[in-house]
Amino acid sequence: DIQMTQSPTTLSASIGDRVTITCRASQSISGWLAWYQQKPGKAPKLLIYRVSSLERGVPSRFSGSGSGTEFTLTISSLQPDDFATYYCQQYNRWYTFGQGTKLEIK
Amino acid sequence: DVQLVESGGGLVKPGGSLRLSCAASGFTFSHGWMNWVRQTPEKGLEWVGRSKSKTDGGTLDYAAFVKGRFIISRDDLKSTLYLQMDSLRSEDTAVYFCTTDLGRPWGSMDVWGQGTMVIVSS
Repeated sequence: DIQMTQSPTTLSASIGDRVTITCRASQSISGWLAWYQQKPGKAPKLLIYRVSSLERGVPSRFSGSGSGTEFTLTISSLQPDDFATYYCQQYNRWYTFGQGTKLEIK
Repeated sequence: DVQLVESGGGLVKPGGSLRLSCAASGFTFSHGWMNWVRQTPEKGLEWVGRSKSKTDGGTLDYAAFVKGRFIISRDDLKSTLYLQMDSLRSEDTAVYFCTTDLGRPWGSMDVWGQGTMVIVSS
C-alpha cells in the first residue's frame, strides 16, 4: 500500500501568513495527488487535484506543487475561513489519505 | 447543485448488518465513479471501496480490510449508491461518506456527501 505522510501535524499561524503543508508518498504516485480541506462536523472539500489544478470556486491563494513523492500545499495569505484540517490523498493506486494537518490560529 | 445525501447509518450489534444509501442529484450519476470513504478519529480517512461507471467497465473494488464483508452496488436509474455491510465489527464504527468524481477524468473525489454515522456496539 502507498503511505502518505503529512507534516506538520499541527500548524499555528496568523491571518495574512503564508503557510506550507508537506505531503510525502512512500513511492511515486505519478502526479495523482489531491488536497482536501475539512472543517469540524463537515465533509472534506476538494481544493486541488492532479498536484496543482485548482478546483472551481477555490480561492487563488491556495496552490499546490511537487512531483515524484514530495508535494506541498501553500496558502499565500491566510484568511479566517482557512483555519481547518487539510488532507493530501494519492489516487495512483487505490486511494490513501495523509493523517491530516490541523491549521490553528496563533 | 450537485448533492450527495447518505442515509442508513445507526447503531448495530457486532456481527450485524447495515445498508447505507447515497442519493445523488445535480449530475449524470451513471457517468461518475463513486466511492465510499470512512473516517474515525483513530485512523482518519480510509477508502472503503469504489464503483466505476458502466462505461468504464462497472468494476467494484474494495479496500483489503473489507475482506468480503461489504458489497457496493449502484442503481443508475435511481441515481443511488449502496453499501451493504455484513459481519460488522467494532472497528467499523465510523462516519461513512460517499464521494464522486462527477465523471471528470482526473479521478479525485470531487464531491462528498455529509456522511452517515455507523456505530457497532453491543
